[in-house]
Amino acid sequence: KAGVTQTPRYLIKTRGQQVTLSCSPISGHRSVSWYQQTPGQGLQFLFEYFSETQRNKGNFPGRFSGRQFSNSRSEMNVSTLELGDSALYLCASSLWDRGSNSPLHFGNGTRLTVT
Amino acid sequence: GENVEQHPSTLSVQEGDSAVIKCTYSDSASNYFPWYKQELGKRPQLIIDIRSNVGEKKDQRIAVTLNKTAKHFSLHITETQPEDSAVYFCAASDAGNMLTFGGGTRLMVKP
Repeated sequence: KAGVTQTPRYLIKTRGQQVTLSCSPISGHRSVSWYQQTPGQGLQFLFEYFSETQRNKGNFPGRFSGRQFSNSRSEMNVSTLELGDSALYLCASSLWDRGSNSPLHFGNGTRLTVT
Repeated sequence: GENVEQHPSTLSVQEGDSAVIKCTYSDSASNYFPWYKQELGKRPQLIIDIRSNVGEKKDQRIAVTLNKTAKHFSLHITETQPEDSAVYFCAASDAGNMLTFGGGTRLMVKP
């Protein structure tokens, strides 16, 4: 079974631009979560989607948004990029049944550098 | 919301020794506690998890204990090997599937 696939692996953008990151979950997984990883802040939760609906949202500004498609693939968008947005963005998928957690399976991440 | 604290931030042990990493959580509704290992330049990978109805779980050299009353859980690695060197993250979640991670522990196993 193929793992979680994130594209692109690396991105370099300039301040003020916007960026879209893509995530394809493991087949059959309907929950997709996004995390930001930085050396200073660790792994910070951005949002989680299940069946095309955002169920949970972390404490990030509105410049960070996402969506999920009917095939469970997800995209994350960051508008008006700031230097502080430079980070590794990790996507994770899980089976998740209501009332019971299941393990998150992470992709390799997209490393975003904002100059 | 949930807050997870992890200690120590760095841990250096001699090969063959044991390593213990501790985490505390704040939300008594949390009921799922996974541990992830992240090697340099790689994705975090689940190594063990425990649910709130269990006090301890073992998988070969790795074990996790949970104290719901005190709201803390620990990772124990016995007979450490150089390939155990990595950053370890604890996390906590309620049934809503939103994981809150600890700050990570960099484990270094010296040959």
